[in-house]
Amino acid sequence: GAVVSQHPSWVICKSGTSVKIECRSLDFQATTMFWYRQFPKQSLMLMATSNEGSKATYEQGVEKDKFLINHASLTLSTLTVTSAHPEDSSFYICSARVVGARTGELFFGEGSRLTVL
Amino acid sequence: GDSVTQMEGPVTLSEEAFLTINCTYTATGYPSLFWYVQYPGEGLQLLLKATKADDKGSNKGFEATYRKETTSFHLEKGSVQVSDSAVYFCALSDARDDKIIFGKGTRLHILP
Repeated sequence: GAVVSQHPSWVICKSGTSVKIECRSLDFQATTMFWYRQFPKQSLMLMATSNEGSKATYEQGVEKDKFLINHASLTLSTLTVTSAHPEDSSFYICSARVVGARTGELFFGEGSRLTVL
Repeated sequence: GDSVTQMEGPVTLSEEAFLTINCTYTATGYPSLFWYVQYPGEGLQLLLKATKADDKGSNKGFEATYRKETTSFHLEKGSVQVSDSAVYFCALSDARDDKIIFGKGTRLHILP
């Protein structure tokens, strides 16, 4: 199946710094990528939908100035957590839809665990 | 809004036992329903899906039937294996906005 890779898989940063997480589709093009946040023992919460070449669409309650999303190419979307604070510590997961695929045929990255000290 | 509720885990079974993980949903439209699986250290993978009422999705010995009358999509397997140990997520997607909503996940442990 299609492969989605996230980098880094694990990052620790100091409070107040910014962290960038990359999501790459390795063997397919993805016009749409999704960013999720997962808390321990909780569901995946959709944060935003990232469309190549246009602004991301954020879910209600997600601060777009804090979670900057860029989808500059058909194989790369980035999530930047700006001025990170301990409450931003979480597991961030991206997924991508193959161009032309039907609803639900998403491929997921392995996730990136962010710890803010 | 739309939501998915699945049984709390962890679920621990012996190898070759019968598995059921319950999932119910709330949706205003006619969603597609999915089960995703996350094996240790890996990303989520689509396990099976059903797009309309009475459809049965199946894969790797797992089955789930889209029950509109009970708004359910329970996951079943007749004989589980140690390799089935993973976290299972029930999810729905409403065609109106193409978003996927996940349940909280159920961790499954299979003992040899």
